[in-house]
Amino acid sequence: AQRVTQPEKLLSVFKGAPVELKCNYSYSGSPELFWYVQYSRQRLQLLLRHISRESIKGFTADLNKGETSFHLKKPFAQEEDSAMYYCALGGRNTGFQKLVFGTGTRLLVSP
Amino acid sequence: GAGVSQSPRYKVAKRGQDVALRCDPISGHVSLFWYQQALGQGPEFLTYFQNEAQLDKSGLPSDRFFAERPEGSVSTLKIQRTQQEDSAVYLCASSFGLAGGETQYFGPGTRLLVL
Repeated sequence: AQRVTQPEKLLSVFKGAPVELKCNYSYSGSPELFWYVQYSRQRLQLLLRHISRESIKGFTADLNKGETSFHLKKPFAQEEDSAMYYCALGGRNTGFQKLVFGTGTRLLVSP
Repeated sequence: GAGVSQSPRYKVAKRGQDVALRCDPISGHVSLFWYQQALGQGPEFLTYFQNEAQLDKSGLPSDRFFAERPEGSVSTLKIQRTQQEDSAVYLCASSFGLAGGETQYFGPGTRLLVL
């Protein structure tokens, strides 16, 4: 079965500290992985996707097929990074286009 | 342009009532998705439309749930005889094309509380 696991419900760090939000997945085939973010009182929005290999707001994520992981990283956290982060899996085996989401990790960056 | 909009934003229903939730996708977007997000959980897929065709309804939890998109734009998710376990945020998302992996743009959600 396709599954996304985010082991941490809450990650609390101080401003300027490195951040790593963990995501592991199970999938047979070629997965497409995404990170979505939801800031307070805003809607869910795409942060980045693995196929783009881009850095958004200082965040990066590398797909590691051997470890079936897609961890989200940022070297220096900012207070405005505080939000709910969801890892999501897409691809043909999940059905035509639907996304399978993890349960989310709340990132809290304190001053 | 405007993003995905949903109405109502909040709905309180008595157990057994029928409810209808509306989604207006971004103009021109072919694909439309419904997700259900229970408290403390991530969104879970309910159903998918490509234009007016409902191609995947594997996530609908019971036959009390029904979705339609008759003209390939606005979509309605209907829940009949609501139960307390239906309480959740219902999210609508749309994407431009047909290829897997395209960015899905989410609406603000409808928060449904069944008493």
